[in-house]
Amino acid sequence: SQQGEEDPQALSIQEGENATMNCSYKTSINNLQWYRQNSGRGLVHLILIRSNEREKHSGRLRVTLDTSKKSSSLLITASRAADTASYFCATDVRYRSGGGADGLTFGKGTHLIIQP
Amino acid sequence: KAGVTQTPRYLIKTRGQQVTLSCSPISGHRSVSWYQQTPGQGLQFLFEYFSETQRNKGNFPGRFSGRQFSNSRSEMNVSTLELGDSALYLCASSLVRGTGLYEQYFGPGTRLTVT
Repeated sequence: SQQGEEDPQALSIQEGENATMNCSYKTSINNLQWYRQNSGRGLVHLILIRSNEREKHSGRLRVTLDTSKKSSSLLITASRAADTASYFCATDVRYRSGGGADGLTFGKGTHLIIQP
Repeated sequence: KAGVTQTPRYLIKTRGQQVTLSCSPISGHRSVSWYQQTPGQGLQFLFEYFSETQRNKGNFPGRFSGRQFSNSRSEMNVSTLELGDSALYLCASSLVRGTGLYEQYFGPGTRLTVT
């Protein structure tokens, strides 16, 4: 089952505008990560935010995490055509009793299209 | 530093056959995880290997198996292929175990088509 759910499923904006994607999850997490995937290729790690952090920046990316609402947002500022891709949030659920993690759980992704 | 490599990149197999996919992690990375990506189910965790031992396993049937060698290279095997096994299989490596504790570096994937 999906732990993270991105919203919207698809987003089309003009180059230069800001893009915001949201992610909601169901269970307590150790951290949340955002990844980008270009057209059926491998995923590229964008940013990792730990459960005790509220906001993180990396270049044109800004990620927020609200553990009380079990949600996160990814903001891409001053978008470029090269930002066209699918964006996924991935959560690392807290270790189950007895040890072991369930692996990263990904949402279905937001497909972002930047119009030139 | 070379990235994660996966071979082959594309593969077409027939239902009932078996297939082996290979993954070479980034040098020095000891954790290798495998994921299956399909349009319907999205990205799903298959298993993680660390120090030649399977540490975690996702909710997949026993037809899906894997192993890791002493040089951290990993292979995954799917036996008795079904049409639904058609997917992009992604391998990811990480410096330490625990798939979510640190960022994962993904390979380009192997596109498997089962006919």
